[in-house]
Amino acid sequence: NAGVTQTPKFRVLKTGQSMTLLCAQDMNHEYMYWYRQDPGMGLRLIHYSVGEGTTAKGEVPDGYNVSRLKKQNFLLGLESAAPSQTSVYFCASSTVGTVINEQYFGPGTRLTVT
Amino acid sequence: DAKTTQPNSMESNEEEPVHLPCNHSTISGTDYIHWYRQLPSQGPEYVIHGLTSNVNNRMASLAIAEDRKSSTLILHRATLRDAAVYYCILRDVGRGSTLGRLYFGRGTQLTVWP
Repeated sequence: NAGVTQTPKFRVLKTGQSMTLLCAQDMNHEYMYWYRQDPGMGLRLIHYSVGEGTTAKGEVPDGYNVSRLKKQNFLLGLESAAPSQTSVYFCASSTVGTVINEQYFGPGTRLTVT
Repeated sequence: DAKTTQPNSMESNEEEPVHLPCNHSTISGTDYIHWYRQLPSQGPEYVIHGLTSNVNNRMASLAIAEDRKSSTLILHRATLRDAAVYYCILRDVGRGSTLGRLYFGRGTQLTVWP
């Protein structure tokens, strides 16, 4: 049981390049989330999904797109990377229907855009 | 979403108790109090949650004020591994709420000295 995994762990992009971050979970969770964390800050929600085939915007969605074609995977895309998107990206998943709704986080992807 | 206020940093010696405060004066009746922590270079992890009564689990205890406007996370014997950023988060589980979303502030950086 690997929990939540993220690929890649590190990446350096040039401005204008595109990339996709992959998040996978093996806990059969309905909900999945993408956050970004800038230095000295808490996490901010980019996009989230409440089920396969559905996505919704979070607090800071601009410049990102997401897809949830399979229940276990949640992809975050940057179509044209900008230096302002330099950050650490965390994926999380949670079950639904309980009060606690504990979120399980992946180890993060450190992205630098030059 | 109701806001929380935490000290930026706190320090403790190893094997001593730690009390991490959180103020949430605008808490609503349907807000649960959640605590997560983030160890260095890792994603956040769930610690504990509560509504009105004090709660204990294997990681920590949560003491909630009678008026619910503040709470305290208690680590009974701090270890070096407890050095982390601790986030106090309110999660609304009332009707029409964005169930599952967590709003992270900057949290409290806990330093544990040997």
